[in-house]
Amino acid sequence: ETGVTQTPRHLVMGMTNKKSLKCEQHLGHNAMYWYKQSAKKPLELMFVYNFKEQTENNSVPSRFSPECPNSSHLFLHLHTLQPEDSALYLCASSATNQETQYFGPGTRLLVL
Amino acid sequence: GQQLNQSPQSMFIQEGEDVSMNCTSSSIFNTWLWYKQDPGEGPVLLIALYKAGELTSNGRLTAQFGITRKDSFLNISASIPSDVGIYFCAGQANTGNQFYFGTGTSLTVIP
Repeated sequence: ETGVTQTPRHLVMGMTNKKSLKCEQHLGHNAMYWYKQSAKKPLELMFVYNFKEQTENNSVPSRFSPECPNSSHLFLHLHTLQPEDSALYLCASSATNQETQYFGPGTRLLVL
Repeated sequence: GQQLNQSPQSMFIQEGEDVSMNCTSSSIFNTWLWYKQDPGEGPVLLIALYKAGELTSNGRLTAQFGITRKDSFLNISASIPSDVGIYFCAGQANTGNQFYFGTGTSLTVIP
């Protein structure tokens, strides 16, 4: 049990669909992150939230839209995705911004 | 962005053997982390290193923060089948800066 949960664990969506990924952390942390993990590539940082404020957007396309309503919850809203967006999307949290991060189990996304 | 090179990319070993892997960067880091990722799961933190030369153990795992501050090493002693997975290093230049991740070392343990 890592203290970071993600739902759904698996998602298949068409290019015209709209879906959302959810992350919740039970560690009392103040920073949360979205990463994209593709095969044979390093983890790609997408977004960082610190005390509910977005502090980093790593040139992510606008078809990915994050939302952080409070320090425990993080969402990633998806719309009009492309097949190359298929990947494992990992959420992480840390006590404060860019301290040691603890990861959730990920959402395996397939875009058809 | 920062490039971290992990070596080897994959390893196939017999159960009971020791394992060594390393991670190198082109610049100096002040923090090194080692994670393990099981298939279908997120990375789990194994060991964190905060000081050059530091040697830290977690059960059969031992990691070292290289004295040049540009590399780190992970050793696993007496491997067992549940050690199978992908091992990632991550480095941070300064507190508050982004962590960069390596591409991982895939470990297969043959019973």
